[in-house]
Amino acid sequence: DGGITQSPKYLFRKEGQNVTLSCEQNLNHDAMYWYRQDPGQGLRLIYYSQIVNDFQKGDIAEGYSVSREKKESFPLTVTSAQKNPTAFYLCASSSGETQYFGPGTRLLVL
Amino acid sequence: GNSVTQMEGPVTLSEEAFLTINCTYTATGYPSLFWYVQYPGEGLQLLLKATKADDKGSNKGFEATYRKETTSFHLEKGSVQVSDSAVYFCALIRPGAGSYQLTFGKGTKLSVIP
Repeated sequence: DGGITQSPKYLFRKEGQNVTLSCEQNLNHDAMYWYRQDPGQGLRLIYYSQIVNDFQKGDIAEGYSVSREKKESFPLTVTSAQKNPTAFYLCASSSGETQYFGPGTRLLVL
Repeated sequence: GNSVTQMEGPVTLSEEAFLTINCTYTATGYPSLFWYVQYPGEGLQLLLKATKADDKGSNKGFEATYRKETTSFHLEKGSVQVSDSAVYFCALIRPGAGSYQLTFGKGTKLSVIP
């Protein structure tokens, strides 16, 4: 089955800790995206990548980092610099205008 | 800049009622418009889209028409079911950005009661 997988479903972060969220797609899409969802805020773009080994900051990139070493994978690291990381994180991919979303990872702070 | 405004929720309807969720947008150029749906605890699914003025997107009984003159893309369904309970997001693709970056509205939560 083609699709986007995200892991883990729930992730807990301690103060001062970096954590990495996984996103994998087997749709052969060139572009991948990370969004943050907060209650009542809609989705906001963190980072996006149009091609392997290239990525750009979105609207709220501070405190986050990404890599794109393989077409299928676009991991997101939430660094200790992100002071309010509690949110639902969604990964998406596209080969044109339409984006397809993964099931999401909920990040909670201990 | 580009923005999307949706009617505030939550919206509560009885089964078989008519649904309208309003969406208006501000954008330079001619954006493509989308409705996504999010069921509890899940990611977003594309519901329908329209790419030019007067296009009508439709899927699963939902419809929305791209109205350039009123910069609107209202979502409608003639008879809602309990299974339609979800959060609905209106979105646009920023035109001319060189990449397909979605701008989302804040979402409208729909609850359908039997």
